[in-house]
Amino acid sequence: EAQVTQNPRYLITVTGKKLTVTCSQNMNHEYMSWYRQDPGLGLRQIYYSMNVEVTDKGDVPEGYKVSRKEKRNFPLILESPSPNQTSLYFCASSRTGEFQPQHFGDGTRLSIL
Amino acid sequence: AQTVTQSQPEMSVQEAETVTLSCTYDTSESDYYLFWYKQPPSRQMILVIRQEAYKQQNATENRFSVNFQKAAKSFSLKISDSQLGDAAMYFCAYREETSGSRLTFGEGTQLTVNP
Repeated sequence: EAQVTQNPRYLITVTGKKLTVTCSQNMNHEYMSWYRQDPGLGLRQIYYSMNVEVTDKGDVPEGYKVSRKEKRNFPLILESPSPNQTSLYFCASSRTGEFQPQHFGDGTRLSIL
Repeated sequence: AQTVTQSQPEMSVQEAETVTLSCTYDTSESDYYLFWYKQPPSRQMILVIRQEAYKQQNATENRFSVNFQKAAKSFSLKISDSQLGDAAMYFCAYREETSGSRLTFGEGTQLTVNP
């Protein structure tokens, strides 16, 4: 089954404790992206990757890091989480250069205390 | 930067009736794509319908259709014969032809379907 898998789905942690949210896709998609969803703001892009070892900032990259060492994986790293990073996070993937929709993971609810 | 605006934070409709959700966007590009995504309480992001800007014909998917007005930069979603399962948050999204696959989302419209 074609899917984007995020882990964990829920996480409560404390300020300053490094965390990683994993994202993996099995569709051989070149493009992967992270979004955060906040009430009244919709989804905003954090980082994206056009292919392996190619990443770039989205609209709200501050406080986040990503890496793309393998085509299927695109982890989101919060080196020193703060309460303003409490949000719902989505990973997505798609082919590039085509009229293709993005496939989304099921979301990760992060709470930073 | 491109922006997408959904001016209706909340909408409600009676079961079996028709409802229209509004979306406007701002761009200087001529080639782009528009999407409507549905997010039910399960939080999944589900593609509802998509439209290519160079196509004048409005997209239709069963009970869902769009009214795409390119000159007005408007992309509304019409849901006919509303069902209880249509209750969800709906997001309008924009993607440029030249930006790879980057999506810009609107703020969302929460749709309630009343029995």
